[in-house]
Amino acid sequence: AQSVTQLGSHVSVSEGALVLLRCNYSSSVPPYLFWYVQYPNQGLQLLLKYTSAATLVKGINGFEAEFKKSETSFHLTKPSAHMSDAAEYFCAVSYTGTASKLTFGTGTRLQVTL
Amino acid sequence: GAVVSQHPSWVICKSGTSVKIECRSLDFQATTMFWYRQFPKQSLMLMATSNEGSKATYEQGVEKDKFLINHASLTLSTLTVTSAHPEDSSFYICSAREVSSSGANVLTFGAGSRLTVL
Repeated sequence: AQSVTQLGSHVSVSEGALVLLRCNYSSSVPPYLFWYVQYPNQGLQLLLKYTSAATLVKGINGFEAEFKKSETSFHLTKPSAHMSDAAEYFCAVSYTGTASKLTFGTGTRLQVTL
Repeated sequence: GAVVSQHPSWVICKSGTSVKIECRSLDFQATTMFWYRQFPKQSLMLMATSNEGSKATYEQGVEKDKFLINHASLTLSTLTVTSAHPEDSSFYICSAREVSSSGANVLTFGAGSRLTVL
């Protein structure tokens, strides 16, 4: 079954520091990969998605992710964290399309400190 | 951009009663909607896929008689939690698929509905 693994349920960075949230997928077939952000008591907002067009994907709010087939990874990064980035981040995978049912990772809570 | 509205955003009900949650695509038609459930501090679990004009497809382990899904129009899907119990308390999130003019599929999530069963 398709799955994604997010390493680290909680990540804390200082404001201005690099943000790195890890996501690995399990499959021999490249899937569609997504990163979503969720603020408290809200739904999900799409940050970016990988659809095989380019391995380095740029998203909103300065986030980007690189698809590495050899490592089966799709880690999310941002050069400089901002206080407003504090939220829950979910990696998700789909093998049936970019707007199909998704399997989500367990989530990583990002804390940004002064 | 595409907007998906969920109503109510939060609801409290007594054990044994039924609760209906609506998911509406406000500015596009959605032939397919997905219903997810999220327990506190956990990930989202897909409950079912709702297709307009046909029966929903439920994921393994989800009781279809407990969680009734109706997708009667291209802009509305409803989830009814029947005979709710405290263990049904959760955050329910829907997403809707839009087929854009370019033919690309876009998925938009609602803001979620928090159900608390007393």
